[in-house]
Amino acid sequence: DGGITQSPKYLFRKEGQNVTLSCEQNLNHDAMYWYRQDPGQGLRLIYYSQIVNDFQKGDIAEGYSVSREKKESFPLTVTSAQKNPTAFYLCASSMVYLYGYTFGSGTRLTVV
Amino acid sequence: AQKVTQAQTEISVVEKEDVTLDCVYETRDTTYYLFWYKQPPSGELVFLIRRNSFDEQNEISGRYSWNFQKSTSSFNFTITASQVVDSAVYFCALSVATQGGSEKLVFGKGMKLTVNP
Repeated sequence: DGGITQSPKYLFRKEGQNVTLSCEQNLNHDAMYWYRQDPGQGLRLIYYSQIVNDFQKGDIAEGYSVSREKKESFPLTVTSAQKNPTAFYLCASSMVYLYGYTFGSGTRLTVV
Repeated sequence: AQKVTQAQTEISVVEKEDVTLDCVYETRDTTYYLFWYKQPPSGELVFLIRRNSFDEQNEISGRYSWNFQKSTSSFNFTITASQVVDSAVYFCALSVATQGGSEKLVFGKGMKLTVNP
């Protein structure tokens, strides 16, 4: 079945550590996205990528980094520069242009 | 600015009641899409509907209906005869075209619906 796989489902990180969240899709979608969800804040865009080897900053990119070496994969690294990383992270993908997203099931990151 | 406002943050109803979720948007684009997504407790967002800016016809799908009014920049969602399984957070979203030809979605803050038996 086609879809988006995010792993792990739960992740704990110590302060000062970098951590990488995985996102893989087998939908052959060109565009991929990372959103952060905080209670009462809705979803805010971190980074997005429209093609391989290219990505753009979203609204809250500071403290995050991404790569897009393969069409299927769009990993997100939460760096130690991110001051408040505890949140629910959602990955999504879409065909190019105004088609809507398919979402993964999310990764809940907690800093301990 | 491209923006989506869901004024209601939380609604609680009793099963079989009808409930309407409001969504107001702002955009400078002439072509755009509006979406509703449902987020059950499991966390994954589930697509409900996509509506383009040129189609103002209302849509009905089972117990769900959507009212799109361009004149008031609103895209409201009504659940008729609500059920406990409708309990979730509902997001309204607006597409924003990017320079590269794809889109990004701007989301409202979501509205938590609780349907009590």
